[in-house]
Amino acid sequence: GQQLNQSPQSMFIQEGEDVSMNCTSSSIFNTWLWYKQDPGEGPVLLIALYKAGELTSNGRLTAQFGITRKDSFLNISASIPSDVGIYFCAGQFYYGNNRLAFGKGNQVVVIP
Amino acid sequence: GAVVSQHPSRVICKSGTSVKIECRSLDFQATTMFWYRQFPKQSLMLMATSNEGSKATYEQGVEKDKFLINHASLTLSTLTVTSAHPEDSSFYICSAPGVAGGSYNEQFFGPGTRLTVL
Repeated sequence: GQQLNQSPQSMFIQEGEDVSMNCTSSSIFNTWLWYKQDPGEGPVLLIALYKAGELTSNGRLTAQFGITRKDSFLNISASIPSDVGIYFCAGQFYYGNNRLAFGKGNQVVVIP
Repeated sequence: GAVVSQHPSRVICKSGTSVKIECRSLDFQATTMFWYRQFPKQSLMLMATSNEGSKATYEQGVEKDKFLINHASLTLSTLTVTSAHPEDSSFYICSAPGVAGGSYNEQFFGPGTRLTVL
């Protein structure tokens, strides 16, 4: 099946620091997505990327869609305590139907 | 944004019983919904695609007779875990694509259902 490799798997960062995480795949996706999941809740969409090479920002979040369509990264600048959570990358299968494949997630802990 | 609800949010059942989980799109219609399973500290794994008016499409390795899916209307899909066993204990999450637009229909996720089988 489709596998997305997400790294690092966990991070402990100081409040105010920037955070970077990336996601790679052996498959090509036509859309890359980044989600945040809080404990006991469903994922919430942070950023969607539609074109290879696209760089998109949403507040303190910046994400890029790799040129090869097989990777993406997410940056969080000036982290705050509410950034704590699990961040997932996801790729939409090229052959449609809106099915998504998720990465394993990155647990982010922000130390005040 | 669009809202997807799930019911119940938490259920505990005895081994061998069946459990039904509902997924509803509250302010939009969804001809397709997706069911995921998430074990602790792991990723979301797609189980099946629920199709309104037709049979569900199951991912490889997911038993269709074990996980019964019924997409009864444009706003409701149900997942029934039949003859549940402790290994079925997990967090079950549904999602539904929103209104079509561009190359990607944003999927809205429900809040999840925590199933514990004793």
